[in-house]
Amino acid sequence: EAGVAQSPRYKIIEKRQSVAFWCNPISGHATLYWYQQILGQGPKLLIQFQNNGVVDDSQLPKDRFSAERLKGVDSTLKIQPAKLEDSAVYLCASSLQLAKNIQYFGAGTRLSVL
Amino acid sequence: DQQVKQNSPSLSVQEGRISILNCDYTNSMFDYFLWYKKYPAEGPTFLISISSIKDKNEDGRFTVFLNKSAKHLSLHIVPSQPGDSAVYFCAANGYTSGTYKYIFGTGTRLKVLA
Repeated sequence: EAGVAQSPRYKIIEKRQSVAFWCNPISGHATLYWYQQILGQGPKLLIQFQNNGVVDDSQLPKDRFSAERLKGVDSTLKIQPAKLEDSAVYLCASSLQLAKNIQYFGAGTRLSVL
Repeated sequence: DQQVKQNSPSLSVQEGRISILNCDYTNSMFDYFLWYKKYPAEGPTFLISISSIKDKNEDGRFTVFLNKSAKHLSLHIVPSQPGDSAVYFCAANGYTSGTYKYIFGTGTRLKVLA
């Protein structure tokens, strides 16, 4: 069974530039999550989707971050414009359902904002 | 407001001995708990989980204990092996702030000494 795929693995941009990350979840997983992990901290949930609807985006900085999950499968997370404090690893995860399910993570995208 | 806490940032253990990693939570609505292991430059990998209706779950060398009254869980690794050296995150799942979410702790770095 294929795992969660993310691209790119690494990205370096200058502040005020824009960047986009892509995620392909495990086939059949209804729930998709985007996390931000800053060095030395645990993953922080940014947004979660159930199929193609947003379930929670309360911690997403909506003035600069956006995400979509078209057709309930792949998802993209965009940052525009990027700030220095956005430097982090962005993790995508998926699970069969919202509750009492194992989340499976991709390898992540390491973003450096200079 | 840190709902899931791992108070030990790091732990060193001799090979063959027991490793005990601890996690505390504050929200009584959490009813499913997971442990993940993370190697550098990889995404978190699921290790073991426990439902709130149980107080123990075992899988090979890994055992998770849940003390609901104390809002505390622990992961025991016996015997510890050098390959277990990684960062371990606990996560709690439950209904909070209007939806089901996974909340992660800040992680404990385990080093198993050969």
